[in-house]
Amino acid sequence: DGGITQSPKYLFRKEGQNVTLSCEQNLNHDAMYWYRQDPGQGLRLIYYSQIVNDFQKGDIAEGYSVSREKKESFPLTVTSAQKNPTAFYLCASSTGWNVYTFGSGTRLTVV
Amino acid sequence: AQSVTQPDIHITVSEGASLELRCNYSYGATPYLFWYVQSPGQGLQLLLKYFSGDTLVQGIKGFEAEFKRSQSSFNLRKPSVHWSDAAEYFCAVGAKGDDKIIFGKGTRLHILP
Repeated sequence: DGGITQSPKYLFRKEGQNVTLSCEQNLNHDAMYWYRQDPGQGLRLIYYSQIVNDFQKGDIAEGYSVSREKKESFPLTVTSAQKNPTAFYLCASSTGWNVYTFGSGTRLTVV
Repeated sequence: AQSVTQPDIHITVSEGASLELRCNYSYGATPYLFWYVQSPGQGLQLLLKYFSGDTLVQGIKGFEAEFKRSQSSFNLRKPSVHWSDAAEYFCAVGAKGDDKIIFGKGTRLHILP
């Protein structure tokens, strides 16, 4: 079945460490997105990509980086510059009609 | 500025009762409108969408929503809720040609037995 796979489901980061969250889709969607979710804040857009080798900053890109070397993959790196990274991270992909398919999320915790 | 407002952070209804979740939007273009549902610790699932045409749209799990342009609203309804409907619900708005959609902050639905 087609869908989006996010891994790992849980991730722990030490202070000053970079970590990478994986997002893979087999839906043949061109667009992919990363959101951060905090309680009561809804979904905030971190980065998005409409085509391979191109991506744009969202509303809260500081402290994060992405790459889009393949259509199927859109990994997110949380860098040490992100001072408050503890959150639930959601990856999504989309057809051209704004209809999003979401992964099941990665919960990142700073230890 | 484009925005989506879900006025109710929490709503509690009894099982079997009817439900209406409110959504208001501010968008310059003709909007595409969506409702998504999220169970705890999970991703979001699309319940229904409106692009054009009939302003009353049917979705999965017995949900429906009505687009009212004059009120800039897209409220979600269900005639009789089930305990399994307890979740968080997000309204979202986009438009043709836009790169991305805007989400509301969500309404958490609690069901009383």
